[in-house]
Amino acid sequence: EIVLTQSPGTLSLSPGERVTLSCRASQSVNSRFLAWYQQKPGQAPRLLIYGASSRAPGIPDKFSGSGSGTDFTLTISRLEPEDFAVYYCQQYGSGSPLTFGGGTKVEIK
Amino acid sequence: QVQLQESGPGQVRPSETLSLTCTVSGASITSYYCNWIRRPPGKGLEWIGYTHYSGSTDSHPSLKSRISNSVDTSKNQFSLKLTSVSAADTAVYYCCLWNDHIKAFEYWGQGTLVTVSS
Repeated sequence: EIVLTQSPGTLSLSPGERVTLSCRASQSVNSRFLAWYQQKPGQAPRLLIYGASSRAPGIPDKFSGSGSGTDFTLTISRLEPEDFAVYYCQQYGSGSPLTFGGGTKVEIK
Repeated sequence: QVQLQESGPGQVRPSETLSLTCTVSGASITSYYCNWIRRPPGKGLEWIGYTHYSGSTDSHPSLKSRISNSVDTSKNQFSLKLTSVSAADTAVYYCCLWNDHIKAFEYWGQGTLVTVSS
């Protein structure tokens, strides 16, 4: 099973700041199968990025994804109040069950 | 607008079977892989498994022996059965649709809390 490690566990930031979230895989992941989701309290997760770098429909361009192999990142260019949430990366590849990272909580400083 | 709604008991006794149904509107489930994901209290997201209207299914190896999935295309619904539950199965359960073109979960239900307790 491919383990995804997200760091840090919690980030305390101010609106307007730029944030980069890390997702590291225990073995190489096909970029086509790497996605990022946002979850706010009491809500369902929302797809932000698929294929490591493609924004889902309706997702603003302040969100961007990059990476390959075992290291992937999600960047939010300027934090707005509605961006404070938990972010999960997720992979699906041959020979491994689908897995999620443990999540990074972005909270208001 | 695509909407998914989970339904089923909010409490199940230990050793019994957890049963949930997901009703989809705004999209045909035949265009997606129908999945279940859960989030135990204080933990992250765990993939449970999927079913496809073609009959294809898969589930997490740790749950495979206890999982049963089904699809009812006439009602645009899909269902999960998890047998022999224990407290470790207490979680918020989400149904969601996997879009195989983009290789990601495109639509999610709001989630339903299932507590395993006597």
